[in-house]
Amino acid sequence: DAKTTQPPSMDCAEGRAANLPCNHSTISGNEYVYWYRQIHSQGPQYIIHGLKNNETNEMASLIITEDRKSSTLILPHATLRDTAVYYCIVRPAGTGNQFYFGTGTSLTVIP
Amino acid sequence: KAGVTQTPRYLIKTRGQQVTLSCSPISGHRSVSWYQQTPGQGLQFLFEYFSETQRNKGNFPGRFSGRQFSNSRSEMNVSTLELGDSALYLCASSLTGQGTYNEQFFGPGTRLTVL
Repeated sequence: DAKTTQPPSMDCAEGRAANLPCNHSTISGNEYVYWYRQIHSQGPQYIIHGLKNNETNEMASLIITEDRKSSTLILPHATLRDTAVYYCIVRPAGTGNQFYFGTGTSLTVIP
Repeated sequence: KAGVTQTPRYLIKTRGQQVTLSCSPISGHRSVSWYQQTPGQGLQFLFEYFSETQRNKGNFPGRFSGRQFSNSRSEMNVSTLELGDSALYLCASSLTGQGTYNEQFFGPGTRLTVL
């Protein structure tokens, strides 16, 4: 079962930063936070993951609170192509590839 | 490098029939996972295969089964189809699934419609 809570939908103006929150208050010490997104009619796409330190890659930044009970995915300059459903997933490492996706956040980037 | 491929892309079956879906992972990937996506239940994990062995299984009835071949290609089978089995079936592959980095690469999916 999904162990995360995300707002069902968000809007963001094109060119602005999109900040997508995720609550995972029951996260365990060995569980990572993963973010995937799904653009309409496509398979999900990996964005970023982290354990406790903030992470950044070419797509996004992941900010994890010190108590690890919540995190925020930041898309620094949202474009129309970033319109998608964003999933926040927590799971331990080394236990196989079963990912339990929640309902995610539907992000709409507005021109 | 070619991505994950799934065949067929679209399929129409009737209740009671059985269906087999195929997934070819990215070359070198040994883990293949299957997911079902419906508007009501969202994305749900079906099972994962690694080195021809089922490693993890989600909460689906025994009508849903799968297998993996020595070349890592995988098939999933659904027997005695029900209307509720209409869904997008997604396959994902990853290198090993061990350790801390488990990026999964998803295929485009097979859209199954049960009439």
